Amino acid sequence: QSALTQPRSVSGSPGQSVTISCTGTSSDVGVYNFVSWYVHHPGKAPKLMISDVSKRPSGVPDRFSGSKSGNTASLTISGLQAEDEADYYCCSYAGSYTFVFGTGTKVTVL
Amino acid sequence: QVQLVQSGAEVKKPGSSVKVSCKASGGTFSTYGINWVRQAPGQGLEWMGGIIPMFGTPNYAQKFQGRVTITTDESTRTAYMELSSLSSDDTAFYYCARDGTIRGSYDYWGQGTLVTVSS
Repeated sequence: QSALTQPRSVSGSPGQSVTISCTGTSSDVGVYNFVSWYVHHPGKAPKLMISDVSKRPSGVPDRFSGSKSGNTASLTISGLQAEDEADYYCCSYAGSYTFVFGTGTKVTVL
Repeated sequence: QVQLVQSGAEVKKPGSSVKVSCKASGGTFSTYGINWVRQAPGQGLEWMGGIIPMFGTPNYAQKFQGRVTITTDESTRTAYMELSSLSSDDTAFYYCARDGTIRGSYDYWGQGTLVTVSS
């Protein structure tokens, strides 16, 4: 159960798009369409942004979108805003009701 | 509205155990998963284990097998996470989270409990 691999950081200017990758294996991301994404601001509880690879919970702006190809899932933030600056984590189902998180990505708005 | 309220901060000695509670209000308790996630200082989120109360059998990350015990009390709508043989590496914020789809969609989270392990 190794952590999913995410880039340590990504950055973009306001209004631009950024994409965060999340690479797993054929035992987790590659075989299950149960990848979720969370935003985590320091001192707060994480917040669900995307579930089941690409579903947006109610209240999450449509600037956030998710996708998956093979063993890699991705989160794209379009129209980057200052308040998007935070840490983002992916999470994948890994069978037998076990899960694994990604290593986390810091998004910086320039 | 679903709310998860966790027990307060703990300071523990190395080698001891800690038990963190997570009390749910609103929504259905038995049919959703309750999972435990931690974040150590400067580290990322780490899944520790989870349970679906109506099924009763918890599942744990390999890293914590033998050291973590997750239980639920349906009568009080409370989940518990007990971690034993604590070391300084276990100093972290511990979160409970509701899995709203039983597929890893953690839609509600507790406020977090800081566990500090220090001699």
